[in-house]
Amino acid sequence: DAGITQSPRYKITETGRQVTLMCHQTWSHSYMFWYRQDLGHGLRLIYYSAAADITDKGEVPDGYVVSRSKTENFPLTLESATRSQTSVYFCASSRSQGDGYTFGSGTRLTVV
Amino acid sequence: AQSVSQHNHHVILSEAASLELGCNYSYGGTVNLFWYVQYPGQHLQLLLKYFSGDPLVKGIKGFEAEFIKSKFSFNLRKPSVQWSDTAEYFCAVGIYNQGGKLIFGQGTELSVKP
Repeated sequence: DAGITQSPRYKITETGRQVTLMCHQTWSHSYMFWYRQDLGHGLRLIYYSAAADITDKGEVPDGYVVSRSKTENFPLTLESATRSQTSVYFCASSRSQGDGYTFGSGTRLTVV
Repeated sequence: AQSVSQHNHHVILSEAASLELGCNYSYGGTVNLFWYVQYPGQHLQLLLKYFSGDPLVKGIKGFEAEFIKSKFSFNLRKPSVQWSDTAEYFCAVGIYNQGGKLIFGQGTELSVKP
């Protein structure tokens, strides 16, 4: 689905660096989400947003920052990357509460 | 806290075998239920969803799931699996008035032997 794109697809960064993962959707969906996927943990919600300028913490928000100044964009920033943040990050969007998500292709982040 | 349990972590089947993957959730109110599939190296894709009405829902690629409210379950089934069904399967629950977020199970890895 070309409607939700994540960039970059792969990223290697050093411990302590700031890194931003981008997420862009073209449907004007109200809801957007960031999850991380790790072996043994499934998908865990980092942050979500119900609309522009409205964001809320999920299950594992520590070390992450989000913003949503425009409906279509929902960037995720790791303020000071740690090795425990090595993961695959998925962005998703949905049209309304209770609707299914559409996922982006993911960003594989390695922190060395 | 609400949670979703998928009891099978890894299932191995031969082609043409029948499949049933278990999913249970812990929440007493109204829920929306989903199954997603993730093929190797890809993102999650929606297989099927239940909002209301007929508790037996049919999805893509011959999958179906049955919502049993009394058991808080939403098991995924397929009568005859194919090698191409090899993937990881995630059950998810959406709770009304919780900001649209879904709670995912830990996933079940399905390996189908040709």
